[in-house]
Amino acid sequence: LAKTTQPISMDSYEGQEVNITCSHNNIATNDYITWYQQFPSQGPRFIIQGYKTKVTNEVASLFIPADRKSSTLSLPRVSLSDTAVYYCLVGPNNNDMRFGAGTRLTVKP
Amino acid sequence: EPEVTQTPSHQVTQMGQEVILRCVPISNHLYFYWYRQILGQKVEFLVSFYNNEISEKSEIFDDQFSVERPDGSNFTLKIRSTKLEDSAMYFCASSEPGGTSSYEQYFGPGTRLTVT
Repeated sequence: LAKTTQPISMDSYEGQEVNITCSHNNIATNDYITWYQQFPSQGPRFIIQGYKTKVTNEVASLFIPADRKSSTLSLPRVSLSDTAVYYCLVGPNNNDMRFGAGTRLTVKP
Repeated sequence: EPEVTQTPSHQVTQMGQEVILRCVPISNHLYFYWYRQILGQKVEFLVSFYNNEISEKSEIFDDQFSVERPDGSNFTLKIRSTKLEDSAMYFCASSEPGGTSSYEQYFGPGTRLTVT
């Protein structure tokens, strides 16, 4: 499984766009990039998944450069309720999902 | 919206006792998982289960742990002889098979296990 590196923490203010970058230099050809969100005392929640270029859904956008060695999760106009830990996961399948430490995002008023 | 449910929400047990944590996955899902999260630490994969057998397991999932799908709806995690270090939040998850959303696992609310 590809090792991922992301910032331990980030601060932002309400209404700002937040970009969280994840490095995955040894990503394999058949690996997907997936992001999860976790609020305190809750299970992780799927946000978005991509393979290359850009993916957008109602919650976030995921930007993946051509070499796929990194990816950026973009959260538009964050609110206080977006305060959570965000995890970047890289792998080929569903069966062995390994979470890293994640990025703790704090949104301030 | 369908969701994964877990019972109990909190379980307190004494060291050496057996515990069974229960999960009801989303009804049309075929893959099932258990994870644990020690307070303040990262989410750790324990085991995945498909077609009535274990697909993958981590180094944490030793002989003290077992999983079972006793009927068409429940998925259980048994810890035979609990240790203090088993105290954690245990999350069950389920997913549909394959496809482009192969990574989308749906997590339950968790069971907080406290071993005293």
